[in-house]
Amino acid sequence: EAQVTQNPRYLITVTGKKLTVTCSQNMNHEYMSWYRQDPGLGLRQIYYSMNVEVTDKGDVPEGYKVSRKEKRNFPLILESPSPNQTSLYFCASRPGYATDTQYFGPGTRLTVL
Amino acid sequence: GENVEQHPSTLSVQEGDSAVIKCTYSDSASNYFPWYKQELGKGPQLIIDIRSNVGEKKDQRIAVTLNKTAKHFSLHITETQPEDSAVYFCAADNQAGTALIFGKGTTLSVSS
Repeated sequence: EAQVTQNPRYLITVTGKKLTVTCSQNMNHEYMSWYRQDPGLGLRQIYYSMNVEVTDKGDVPEGYKVSRKEKRNFPLILESPSPNQTSLYFCASRPGYATDTQYFGPGTRLTVL
Repeated sequence: GENVEQHPSTLSVQEGDSAVIKCTYSDSASNYFPWYKQELGKGPQLIIDIRSNVGEKKDQRIAVTLNKTAKHFSLHITETQPEDSAVYFCAADNQAGTALIFGKGTTLSVSS
């Protein structure tokens, strides 16, 4: 089944403890992206990757890192999480062009205490 | 940068009625306008999309219209059912093609 998977789905952590949220897609998509969803703010892009080893900042990149060493994986790294990073995170992928359909993962609910 | 505004933020209808959600966008270079449905505890799921060379698209009970001159597009759901209850998001691609810019969402409630 073609899908975007994320792990973990739920995570509660404490301020300053490094964490990684994994994202994987099995559709051979070139483009991958991370969004965060907050009440009243909708979905906002954190980082994106147009292809392997090519990443760039979205609208809200502060406090996050990403890497794209393989086509299928695009992990989101929080080196020193803070409470304002408590949010619902979604990974997404699409084949390549801007007008291609973008598929979303199931989400990771992160709470930083 | 691109900005997408979505209205209304909440919409309550009776089963069988029609529902209309409207979005406006700011960047005239946008070419792709998807609509996503998000159910509780799940990621957004594409329900329909439209590209700038088309004015209207229909898929069973769902239709989308696009007015590029006025920079607005709308989602129409006919014969609504309780399972249509969800949060709906409109989006538009940014000029660089690197992101979808989302509206803030519409919570649709269909009561039977």
